[in-house]
This record gives sequence, C-alpha cells and structure tokens, in this order.
Amino acid sequence: DIQMTQSPSTLSASVGDRVTITCRASQSISSWLAWYQQKPGKAPKLLIYKASSLESGVPSRFSGSGSGTEFTLTISSLQPDDFATYYCQQYNSYSPLFGGGTKVEIK
Amino acid sequence: QVQLVQSGAEVKKPGASVKVSCKASGYTFTSYGISWVRQAPGQGLEWMGWISAYNGNTNYAQKLQGRVTMTTDTSTSTAYMELRSLRSDDTAVYYCARDSGIAVAGTFDYWGQGTLVTVSS
Repeated sequence: DIQMTQSPSTLSASVGDRVTITCRASQSISSWLAWYQQKPGKAPKLLIYKASSLESGVPSRFSGSGSGTEFTLTISSLQPDDFATYYCQQYNSYSPLFGGGTKVEIK
Repeated sequence: QVQLVQSGAEVKKPGASVKVSCKASGYTFTSYGISWVRQAPGQGLEWMGWISAYNGNTNYAQKLQGRVTMTTDTSTSTAYMELRSLRSDDTAVYYCARDSGIAVAGTFDYWGQGTLVTVSS
C-alpha cells in the first residue's frame, strides 16, 4: 500500500511569511496528488489537484509542485485566513489516502 | 450551486448499524462519483470508499470491507453510506464529497457539512 508522509506536522508562522509543506509518497504516484485546507469544525476544501493545478476560486498565493514521490504546497504570503490544517491526498491507486496533516499556527 | 446536504447526528450502541444520507443538488448527479471520508475526534482524514453515481460501482477501503455499503438513489440524487457492527472507534464525523472520478476515486471538490456519529454504550 502507498503511504503518505507530511512534514512538518505543525508549523508556526507569521502573516506575510512564505510557507512550504512537504508530502512524500512511499512509491511513485506520478502527479496524482491533491491538497486540501481544513478549518476547525468545517469540511475540507480542495486547493490543488494534479499536483500543481489550482482549483477554481482559490487564491493565487497557493501553489503546488512536484511529481513522483515528493510534493510541496507553498503559500507565498501567509494571510490571516490561511491558519488551518492542510492535508495532501494521493489518488494514484484504487484506495486514495490522505497524509497526516500539517497544522499552520500563528507565531 | 453545488450542494451536498447530509442527514443529522446519530448516537448508536456498539454492534448497531448507522445509515447516513447525502442529498446532492446543483449538478448532474450521475456525472460524478461520491466518496465518503471520516474524521475521528482530533484526528486526520480517512477515505472510506467511493461509489459511481453513474452505474453504482463501488470501491471500499480494505479495513472497512464487509462492514460498509454505499448506495445511490438516482431518482432523488441521494447517496447513502451504511456502516454495520459499530465500535467505539467508529465515532467520527462522516463526510460525503463529490468525487471527480468516473471509474475510480479521484479528488473531492464539494463536501457535505458532515454527520457526527457517536458510538457509545
């Protein structure tokens, strides 16, 4: 089975910071990776699909990159609304799998 | 606009079953799949399974095989998830999500509001 490892698990940052979250797959998943944002008590929101494609309506400060086994989500300039938990998700196999999540906290 | 509206919270005893509904609107129901994702308190996201609203094909997470059944009613654009033999570690918020995958699960672009299922004696 494919395993997904996100790092860091928690990240403290300030408004305006550039933030990078990493997701590693235990085997190649080509570009079949998505990123989601989740706020407390709310459903997740799709940000990025196919590793680097921005979902409609998502601010351009969010970007994704990578292929194969290593992927990154970058927030170019962190905004107050961006403090949340972020999950990667692979959909290369018949069993999609989420990473463990990265909580972005206020520094 | 696309909406997925789920049924209300449930409290069940261990060993019982629960059936959660997810009514879709704002898009052609049979052109997408529906995935179910759950989240235990304070934990991450767990994909449970996928159903094609086009032909009813399903794919379930291996750990839930034999305990979960996903169905759809195309006449009402509603998806259902039934989980049997409930245990305390099934306590979670259960989400349905519109799935871009036609033949297999893909990405989840619209989500229901979540249904809290509590399993307690």
